[in-house]
Amino acid sequence: DAGVTQSPTHLIKTRGQQVTLRCSPKSGHDTVSWYQQALGQGPQFIFQYYEEEERQRGNFPDRFSGHQFPNYSSELNVNALLLGDSALYLCASSLRQGRTTYNEQFFGPGTRLTVL
Amino acid sequence: AQSVTQLGSHVSVSEGALVLLRCNYSSSVPPYLFWYVQYPNQGLQLLLKYTSAATLVKGINGFEAEFKKSETSFHLTKPSAHMSDAAEYFCAVSTLGSARQLTFGSGTQLTVLP
Repeated sequence: DAGVTQSPTHLIKTRGQQVTLRCSPKSGHDTVSWYQQALGQGPQFIFQYYEEEERQRGNFPDRFSGHQFPNYSSELNVNALLLGDSALYLCASSLRQGRTTYNEQFFGPGTRLTVL
Repeated sequence: AQSVTQLGSHVSVSEGALVLLRCNYSSSVPPYLFWYVQYPNQGLQLLLKYTSAATLVKGINGFEAEFKKSETSFHLTKPSAHMSDAAEYFCAVSTLGSARQLTFGSGTQLTVLP
C-alpha cells in the first residue's frame, strides 16, 4: 500500500516565477492538507482540500492556491515566488469520517523548494 | 484558536538516559494532541496521539506521553534513549472545529550522546 507521495523531491526557482507541487494521498484517503515548513521551524498549515474544494485556509496570501482532482490527488501552486517561500512543503492525507471523529494525517516526504 | 509551545529547542541526553521533551498547549476547546518525529530530509512520522481516551498514551519506539489538563501539558518521555532516537520532534494540537488542521510547535532537536 503506497503512502503519501509528493513530486518533485527538490525544486529550484527564481524570484517571480510560479511553481506547482503535486501530492497523491494514501490509498483510501479523501482529504489533503498542505503545510509549509521553513528551515528550523515547525510546519505551518496552508490549506485543506476535501471534495475538490478548499475547506480551511491558514494565514497565507492568495499567491498560494491549490486544487484537488476527482482521484483525490492535489496540487499546490505558488505564484510570484519570494525568497521567503523557500521551504519544505509537506502534504498530508486523511479520511474525513464525519465531524465527531479524528483521523490520523499521514505525511509525505515533502518537496524542498529553493527560491533564488 | 490553538497554539503549542515546546520548551527547549535543543535537548541532549546520554544513551540509556531518560528522554523528556516538553510541550504545553493552548486551546479553547478539548484538544487532540500529537507528537511527530522528523528524521533529516524526511517527512513527519506520528509517534503517538491523544484523542480524549486514556490520558497516558503509548506510542511507537517506546515513547509515551501523558495528557495533563490542569497543566495544559503533553510531555513526551522515553525511559532509555537510543542512538536512533536522534531526530527533530514536534508537538501538535488539533480540534474538530478547526477542520482537523494541525498547529505545530517549533520543534525540539534531540541529540543522543554515546
